Amino acid sequence: DTAVSQTPKYLVTQMGNDKSIKCEQNLGHDTMYWYKQDSKKFLKIMFSYNNKELIINETVPNRFSPKSPDKAHLNLHINSLELGDSAVYFCASSQAAGQTDTQYFGPGTRLTVL
Amino acid sequence: QQPVQSPQAVILREGEDAVINCSSSKALYSVHWYRQKHGEAPVFLMILLKGGEQKGHDKISASFNEKKQQSSLYLTASQLSYSGTYFCGTDPFNTGKLIFGQGTTLQVKP
Repeated sequence: DTAVSQTPKYLVTQMGNDKSIKCEQNLGHDTMYWYKQDSKKFLKIMFSYNNKELIINETVPNRFSPKSPDKAHLNLHINSLELGDSAVYFCASSQAAGQTDTQYFGPGTRLTVL
Repeated sequence: QQPVQSPQAVILREGEDAVINCSSSKALYSVHWYRQKHGEAPVFLMILLKGGEQKGHDKISASFNEKKQQSSLYLTASQLSYSGTYFCGTDPFNTGKLIFGQGTTLQVKP
């Protein structure tokens, strides 16, 4: 019944490791996003895919690589994790990629890098 | 480019009213309002569109002033459940790329 789901909810790992976060939406939306929310609650977009095509690619270290195997899934892989990567990562989806399209957020994945 | 919200924080008693402002240095075409409770995801409240009328959502409403490049969120007769952080987001390029303000933390006390 969940609209946008993410796994895992919590991720604790050591510096230098590689990890992935998965996102799935069952709303039939065409567009999916990854956001990063830091400890000061600043919410910043990282990537967006529309119909499996990358349309937004913000200035993010290339250690971060999104992958969209199909419209309903958007995964985020992070290589060589650093302390500064610790944050909450939110996946979101919307019907389309326009300014009138509501974005629905997943529950978030809290990543802690030790 | 990031919209600026004011105030940064507000504390209310139940039943009091509050206004949260969101200002942009860029022309606004739409403003999205979200509320995020501690440890949870941002939840959509409403979208204000350029040329659109004031929107309402229960006792929460918002306005959009194109000239001032500003949107305001009005919370009337606040309830405990209104507590959380409110974010405005703007999409200046109509690409779905929402740029969020820094957030306004609202605490409603009994």
